[in-house]
Amino acid sequence: NAGVTQTPKFQVLKTGQSMTLQCAQDMNHNSMYWYRQDPGMGLRLIYYSASEGTTDKGEVPNGYNVSRLNKREFSLRLESAAPSQTSVYFCASKKDLGLGGGQFFGPGTRLTVL
Amino acid sequence: KNQVEQSPQSLIILEGKNCTLQCNYTVSPFSNLRWYKQDTGRGPVSLTIMTFSENTKSNGRYTATLDADTKQSSLHITASQLSDSASYICVVSRNSGYSTLTFGKGTMLLVSP
Repeated sequence: NAGVTQTPKFQVLKTGQSMTLQCAQDMNHNSMYWYRQDPGMGLRLIYYSASEGTTDKGEVPNGYNVSRLNKREFSLRLESAAPSQTSVYFCASKKDLGLGGGQFFGPGTRLTVL
Repeated sequence: KNQVEQSPQSLIILEGKNCTLQCNYTVSPFSNLRWYKQDTGRGPVSLTIMTFSENTKSNGRYTATLDADTKQSSLHITASQLSDSASYICVVSRNSGYSTLTFGKGTMLLVSP
């Protein structure tokens, strides 16, 4: 039981390049989330998916797209990376959308955009 | 505005000593409050969850308190160990139409031998 896994662990991009961050969970959870964590700031929600086939914007969605490929997988895509997107990205999952909290987090992807 | 403020920003204590971390929030309507531990280079891991009616909850050497009237929570760590060195994040959930979390910036704890 791996929990929430993320790939890659580290990535360096040049401004304007694109990439996709992958996330998978094996806990049969319905809801999945993407956050970014910047120094001196709390985690901020980028996008979330309440269930397979649905996605919604969070607090900071600009510059990102997501795909809920199936119940297990939720990917985050940067179409044209910018230095402001340098951050640590965490994927999380939870059994259901409601009742708050209780999210299981992946180990994170550290992204640097030059 | 929904906010979660944590103090202190950072803390250094000697191994074996106790410490208390603070969390003040203005999130409304309140659903629950969680404390997470985040080791360096890892994702956050939940330590405790507290709902409106709960005042105290323990998880081993970690004890969380909640005062819903003053909108304050604390996390007390007893007999600290080197492995307690981490960032501790307070997360408050809003009881809205869908689950909305507000994250504090965290308190960085360093336990020194």
